[in-house]
Amino acid sequence: AQSVTQLDSQVPVFEEAPVELRCNYSSSVSVYLFWYVQYPNQGLQLLLKYLSGSTLVKGINGFEAEFNKSQTSFHLRKPSVHISDTAEYFCAVSDIRAAGNQFYFGTGTSLTVIP
Amino acid sequence: DGGITQSPKYLFRKEGQNVTLSCEQNLNHDAMYWYRQDPGQGLRLIYYSQIVNDFQKGDIAEGYSVSREKKESFPLTVTSAQKNPTAFYLCASSWAGNSPLHFGNGTRLTVT
Repeated sequence: AQSVTQLDSQVPVFEEAPVELRCNYSSSVSVYLFWYVQYPNQGLQLLLKYLSGSTLVKGINGFEAEFNKSQTSFHLRKPSVHISDTAEYFCAVSDIRAAGNQFYFGTGTSLTVIP
Repeated sequence: DGGITQSPKYLFRKEGQNVTLSCEQNLNHDAMYWYRQDPGQGLRLIYYSQIVNDFQKGDIAEGYSVSREKKESFPLTVTSAQKNPTAFYLCASSWAGNSPLHFGNGTRLTVT
């Protein structure tokens, strides 16, 4: 089974500053990668996904992520954050080889944007 | 609009009572999932179903039961055997083949 590590449980950042949320996973063999965002008392919303092709993936709300196979990482970045980006962010991995649609989630990173 | 509807949003029960959480989707997705979310622990898979009348246990199935009688519906019952049922429960659905999960807005269950 895959394991997903989000190294930072909380990330405070000032408004309009850049941010990087880190995600590492256990195996680079045959995986799809996702980032989700969760606002308080709501479900998760897909930010972006990597299935194949270019290693730099662009998502909604100005976020992007880069798939690095050698480092088994999929870090999320935004060049300039806004107050509305304050939320919980989850990295997820899907193992293509597994029977069925198996997803593995990290424990989340709480992003707080400071005015 | 297509989506996943979970109801109710908040649910309160006394210890020892079974309770059923509703999940309905109109996305025509084949697969449906139930996750439990606790602070600092991320999402943990309870049950999933890839086809009607079939479902599999996830990582924390003990004390829970599900049914999948219709493609659109995947209700979760939290039984009295679940030791710590107070949590935020999320239902999700997807196409087959590693496509992204679509989530409902969750049900917050409090058992006292």
